[in-house]
Amino acid sequence: DSGVTQTPKHLITATGQRVTLRCSPRSGDLSVYWYQQSLDQGLQFLIQYYNGEERAKGNILERFSAQQFPDLHSELNLSSLELGDSALYFCASSRLAGGGTGELFFGEGSRLTVL
Amino acid sequence: KNQVEQSPQSLIILEGKNCTLQCNYTVSPFSNLRWYKQDTGRGPVSLTIMTFSENTKSNGRYTATLDADTKQSSLHITASQLSDSASYICVVRLGVGGGNKLTFGTGTQLKVEL
Repeated sequence: DSGVTQTPKHLITATGQRVTLRCSPRSGDLSVYWYQQSLDQGLQFLIQYYNGEERAKGNILERFSAQQFPDLHSELNLSSLELGDSALYFCASSRLAGGGTGELFFGEGSRLTVL
Repeated sequence: KNQVEQSPQSLIILEGKNCTLQCNYTVSPFSNLRWYKQDTGRGPVSLTIMTFSENTKSNGRYTATLDADTKQSSLHITASQLSDSASYICVVRLGVGGGNKLTFGTGTQLKVEL
């Protein structure tokens, strides 16, 4: 158990809909990362937050947005969903913004299926 | 461009055999390199970290090497077990000058068979 909690574990929705994925980082971790992993693909970095502030942005679509709340949990919002958005979405946390050894602790992922 | 390339893309071996996975990177400035293991449908878990001054590090049956001059790392798995079947991902962290960013390889899919 990494200590990172993601909900929901599975989600099935239709094209055009909007969903919210939630992540609670490990206790004490200030940094939260979101990754997308499509079938048989590598992990694609979406966005990072550190202590409530956006820290780095990757290949995140304009239809996607995220935020980190004062209690450090984070939400990833996906809107106007398309079939190609079907993927595993992972949240990871780390103690620091980027320095140090920077080990990431990953949650178990949220599997999104868009029909 | 900062890149991390892994080979082979996939590998099938018999239980009990050894194997070596490769990671070549062009990331600069280099801070550290981690190997993660990702079981199917699960989140990746760190196996080992290599910093600039380290050549070899072991974690049980896993041994990682780093050649900072040639920018290559390898992960050697000894006496493979069925539970080693997973994707192994090489992740390189840039140094401060590179914003401490992470660059992920696409992984090597290992399958261990009886």
